[in-house]
Amino acid sequence: QVQLQESGPGLVKPSETLSLTCTVSGGSITNYYWIWIRQPAGKGLEWIGRMYSSGSTNYNPSLKSRVTVSVDTSTNQFSLRLSSVTAADTALYYCARDCSGVRCPIGIFDYWGQGILVTVSS
Amino acid sequence: DIVMTQSPDSLAVSLGERATINCKSSQSVLYSSNNKNYLAWYQQKPGQPPKVLIYWASTRESGVPDRFSGSGSGTDFTLTISSLQAEDVAVYYCQQYYSTPQYTFGQGTKLEIK
Repeated sequence: QVQLQESGPGLVKPSETLSLTCTVSGGSITNYYWIWIRQPAGKGLEWIGRMYSSGSTNYNPSLKSRVTVSVDTSTNQFSLRLSSVTAADTALYYCARDCSGVRCPIGIFDYWGQGILVTVSS
Repeated sequence: DIVMTQSPDSLAVSLGERATINCKSSQSVLYSSNNKNYLAWYQQKPGQPPKVLIYWASTRESGVPDRFSGSGSGTDFTLTISSLQAEDVAVYYCQQYYSTPQYTFGQGTKLEIK
């Protein structure tokens, strides 16, 4: 059973960089897209970006200038960096696996972490 | 971006009754070359991440009870729970994956027991 677990600081100061890691267990990170999604308190879901295991990336245009997603296949981890954060970036951050066309379509997210709450505050 | 709009924002249904949630996309998510609608439904229970229920607008994910069904095409879609159970209390989201990879979700519909 594939499992994902987010880790990282729960508090980030304004203007600094948010850094999170997602550790994947129970399956290989190769041949899939890996996703970051966030959810502000009481609000909906926002797709942040994705990385394929080979290293290609795509980002939400509204965040593109501040986002970097990277993958480390040797440790089965992938990471999110979001720079110049403001209070508007306070949210529950999820990592997830994209089905990637393997057993369901690209763009469907079949495994999720439990989420990590990141608060931007001084 | 394709904007997804759900209705209603919240819904209260009696146990055993039918629940219906609607989702409208700002442009068609029907891909003409394969005649598939790139529309999914997720369920998010309190304190949990979302769980995919349906994709291709009407294909149930493995393990999802058959009381959940999806319908619609083009820009208008519906999630139906045929006989509401207590464990179905959740927020439901539709998502388009037509505009790859700029995926977008609806604002969510909160389903409660009446």
